[in-house]
Formats: sequence, C-alpha cells, structure tokens
Amino acid sequence: SQKIEQNSEALNIQEGKTATLTCNYTNYSPAYLQWYRQDPGRGPVFLLLIRENEKEKRKERLKVTFDTTLKQSLFHITASQPADSATYLCALRRAGGSYIPTFGRGTSLIVHP
Amino acid sequence: GAGVSQSPRYKVAKRGQDVALRCDPISGHVSLFWYQQALGQGPEFLTYFQNEAQLDKSGLPSDRFFAERPEGSVSTLKIQRTQQEDSAVYLCASSPSPGSTDTQYFGPGTRLTVL
Repeated sequence: SQKIEQNSEALNIQEGKTATLTCNYTNYSPAYLQWYRQDPGRGPVFLLLIRENEKEKRKERLKVTFDTTLKQSLFHITASQPADSATYLCALRRAGGSYIPTFGRGTSLIVHP
Repeated sequence: GAGVSQSPRYKVAKRGQDVALRCDPISGHVSLFWYQQALGQGPEFLTYFQNEAQLDKSGLPSDRFFAERPEGSVSTLKIQRTQQEDSAVYLCASSPSPGSTDTQYFGPGTRLTVL
C-alpha cells in the first residue's frame, strides 16, 4: 500500500543551525511534492512545491530536494530561528492529473535559542 | 480579512447529534476542499468543489457526511448522527485555480469533539 513517512519524533536543534527534515514514500509515483508548515491551532501554510523532474528548489532560507530514485525529499531550513518551530508536513500528488494530495503526519521542529 | 475563515472554531457534540461546519473561502477562489485531520496525523481529503459543483466526494467516510456550496462561495460540511470517531479537526482550503491544490490556502480549522 502507499505510504508516506515522516519522522514522528520531534527534531530539536540550536538556533543558527540547519534543520533537515525527511519525507520518504513507498508504492507511489508522485508528480509533485509539497511542504507545508503548521502551527498549533492553525491550518497548514504552503511553503514550497517541487516537481518530479526538479532536483532542488530554494526559497529564502528554505531548500527542498526531491530524489525519485531514493523516493525521498529533504527539507532544509538554514540559519534556523526559534520562530521556525512548528510542524512541517510533506504532501505528494500522484502523477496522472489527480489533484488530491496525500499528506504525511508531519515532523515537529523545535529550535532552541 | 483576506484569508479563509471557518466557524465555529470549536464544537463539542454529544454522540448522535448533527453538526454543521462553515467555511468562507477567499473571495473569488474557484476551488474549495475539505479535509479531516486526526490528532497527530496529516490532513486527509474529504471532498472538492469547483464553484458550486461538487466534483469529488470520494474521501467522505460515510453517508453521514454531506457537503454543499450552493452559491459557489461559502461551504458547509454537515455530519449527521455524529460518532466518537468523527472527532478531528476539519480543515477547509481554497484555491484560485480549478482543480488545483498547488497553492491552496487553508483555514484555521474547526475542532470537533464528539462525547
């Protein structure tokens, strides 16, 4: 069955370091992969989208990579700040025109001052 | 405000009661999506509207769930005869493009607790 895996354990890092979050998937042929940020009591906020033919995408301090051979996406936040503390969700959309994304359960990031 | 709004933010229902959850999308957004997010999980797709047409309801878990968007703007998700397993956060999202979740904007959600 299709599976999207994000580390359920929280990632704790020191301010200024680079945070790296992982999204692995199995039995899936995604066309698009998205990363969202979700704060407690709020809906997810879209951050970045990367397509299957793209290896890397950047936006300010954010960088996403997409390796369809490894079936993995890495999400990096450089020079992390306490304000970056949140849950980060990855979502995949299947190739073939389906607009329905499948979300991972998210990984909590805690940046300590 | 310019964002997606949902009401109520919190709803407590006794098992067997009917509930109605409202979503006000961003003005002019064609697409509207409902998701269910259980505690500690990611959102799961429920249903999709393009304007007033419900084009996909494949994610609705049972016939107790019903959604409408009669005038192509505000949408209501109704759950009849609520069960404890319906307890979750219900998220609404809107997008300016038909059938696109590439840049969907989520509301804050309604947390439903069924006792």
